[in-house]
Amino acid sequence: DAGITQSPRHKVTETGTPVTLRCHQTENHRYMYWYRQDPGHGLRLIHYSYGVKDTDKGEVSDGYSVSRSKTEDFLLTLESATSSQTSVYFCAIGGQGAHNEQFFGPGTRLTVL
Amino acid sequence: SQQGEEDPQALSIQEGENATMNCSYKTSINNLQWYRQNSGRGLVHLILIRSNEREKHSGRLRVTLDTSKKSSSLLITASRAADTASYFCATDRSGNQFYFGTGTSLTVIP
Repeated sequence: DAGITQSPRHKVTETGTPVTLRCHQTENHRYMYWYRQDPGHGLRLIHYSYGVKDTDKGEVSDGYSVSRSKTEDFLLTLESATSSQTSVYFCAIGGQGAHNEQFFGPGTRLTVL
Repeated sequence: SQQGEEDPQALSIQEGENATMNCSYKTSINNLQWYRQNSGRGLVHLILIRSNEREKHSGRLRVTLDTSKKSSSLLITASRAADTASYFCATDRSGNQFYFGTGTSLTVIP
């Protein structure tokens, strides 16, 4: 794996509670991404970042916020978790340059009861 | 809405056979990529084909792209049990956002 970790790896929480997922990279990539993966939907982009404090929305950003105060860390926050946010969340880095490929973290399985 | 759609959704073949999966997309693209995902893991990049390319090879992988039909195919030759995984296509329109299909689940039977 390309120096990208996610924490926690598993989390169970209750509806209405705040949740923060962390993505940490050691590759010094400028671009970082948060996706969610659900059966029948593939991966859908939530938010991405193109630099420290520079973020933008993806196709399913409602109910999520992000922050990037350091190059290596990209945080995804669910301000008030809902059952529809039960999913597997993947962080990715890269996606730019000649090869354009993204490198994915191991994922976080989030269950909202 | 999903940019890419793969078919078939599931494919089961015998070891040694070839596996072909297809991807269709909706709008013009800069490039198209294929990724692989083993159960419970993150995605791993396999191959990229640019919009001005028609075919690309990498080891046992062959990718074709037909921009007029907005479709791509991934061929895995001489499949192995270790090729069992889900395969996703991803398209890059703006250069900043990637759109993944729903995936093809491949099972290679030893």
